[in-house]
Amino acid sequence: QKEVEQDPGPLSVPEGAIVSLNCTYSNSAFQYFMWYRQYSRKGPELLMYTYSSGNKEDGRFTAQVDKSSKYISLFIRDSQPSDSATYLCAMSRTGANNLFFGTGTRLTVIP
Amino acid sequence: DADVTQTPRNRITKTGKRIMLECSQTKGHDRMYWYRQDPGLGLRLIYYSFDVKDINKGEISDGYSVSRQAQAKFSLSLESAIPNQTALYFCATGSAGEQPQHFGDGTRLSIL
Repeated sequence: QKEVEQDPGPLSVPEGAIVSLNCTYSNSAFQYFMWYRQYSRKGPELLMYTYSSGNKEDGRFTAQVDKSSKYISLFIRDSQPSDSATYLCAMSRTGANNLFFGTGTRLTVIP
Repeated sequence: DADVTQTPRNRITKTGKRIMLECSQTKGHDRMYWYRQDPGLGLRLIYYSFDVKDINKGEISDGYSVSRQAQAKFSLSLESAIPNQTALYFCATGSAGEQPQHFGDGTRLSIL
């Protein structure tokens, strides 16, 4: 079983829709949770970073962590064509030397 | 200028050749990492280095070696390339106590 599971999609939504992206994980020691956005032919760029459980909001983006269910989500409100990219979840634990990544969900926002 | 620069951006080579991928950073971070990205498998860690004298194997280090020439430079070598090493390779940097890592734009490597 992979430590981090992410639905690869692809996911296609109309402009203005609310997008929900999700990951599940198996290691209860994970405490640091990240979402990266990766455009075609570019490296991943950090979008959201949260520690432990709870919500974090940044503009149109909201990250949620539910440690009891081992489930994290990224919500995008009022989605724009410029949001079209692959979204990667990543997580880690205290003392770990690397991040554990999901496989990424490819999102297309149609004008 | 990019904070994390990878060269070359694209490379096509033949089985058995030696290849070096280079990474330099201007972020001043101590930690540097090499990942490979494959469809359906996500990003997997190859090697990481916490300072010039510290080199550590990651999840998939077989067939690869690295060199940390300076705080800002970290290179990845494939001593004898094989086709299943065809992938997208990313260098990343980070600071101690800071979990997130910052990525370069990758090297697309094809081995025929």
